[in-house]
Amino acid sequence: AQSVTQLGSHVSVSEGALVLLRCNYSSSVPPYLFWYVQYPNQGLQLLLKYTSAATLVKGINGFEAEFKKSETSFHLTKPSAHMSDAAEYFCAVRKNRDDKIIFGKGTRLHILP
Amino acid sequence: ETGVTQSPTHLIKTRGQQVTLRCSSQSGHNTVSWYQQALGQGPQFIFQYYREEENGRGNFPPRFSGLQFPNYSSELNVNALELDDSALYLCASSPPGTGGRNNSPLHFGNGTRLTVT
Repeated sequence: AQSVTQLGSHVSVSEGALVLLRCNYSSSVPPYLFWYVQYPNQGLQLLLKYTSAATLVKGINGFEAEFKKSETSFHLTKPSAHMSDAAEYFCAVRKNRDDKIIFGKGTRLHILP
Repeated sequence: ETGVTQSPTHLIKTRGQQVTLRCSSQSGHNTVSWYQQALGQGPQFIFQYYREEENGRGNFPPRFSGLQFPNYSSELNVNALELDDSALYLCASSPPGTGGRNNSPLHFGNGTRLTVT
């Protein structure tokens, strides 16, 4: 069965520093992968998705993620953190031909002034 | 374009009671999924509805049930509430695909916070 593992339940970076949130997936077939963000007291908002068209995926708010099959990873990055990026980030996977989306446990991103 | 709306936003129930949560899907979306998000956890898939029928279910007991209506809105019903049912319940909709199977991302509502005492 497909799953995702997010390394680090909490990540702190200084404002202006590089953001790197790690996600590794487990799937028997090439998966569809997603990153979602959740702000306090809100639902989840899609940041970006990988659908095999390109390994480097650009999303909203300056975020991007790179699909690396050899490493079974889909890490999320942003060159320069902003205070407004403080939120919970979820990596998710959907197995081909299966609609169910499986979420990781999330990583809370803290931005230090 | 109206997004996914859920009601109520907060709810407090007593153990053993029953609860109904409601969701209006985003305009043009015919697939609705429900997720349970416990505190500090990622969302857990409960089930999905397409064309008024359940077409996928996660590892939740039968006391979790649902409905989808012709206008694609949906309800989540939970019977015999337990303390562990306290969570944020998220509804998500997605647009039409082929036979209900596609890779369109989910569009989430803001959720219903259920507290069971």
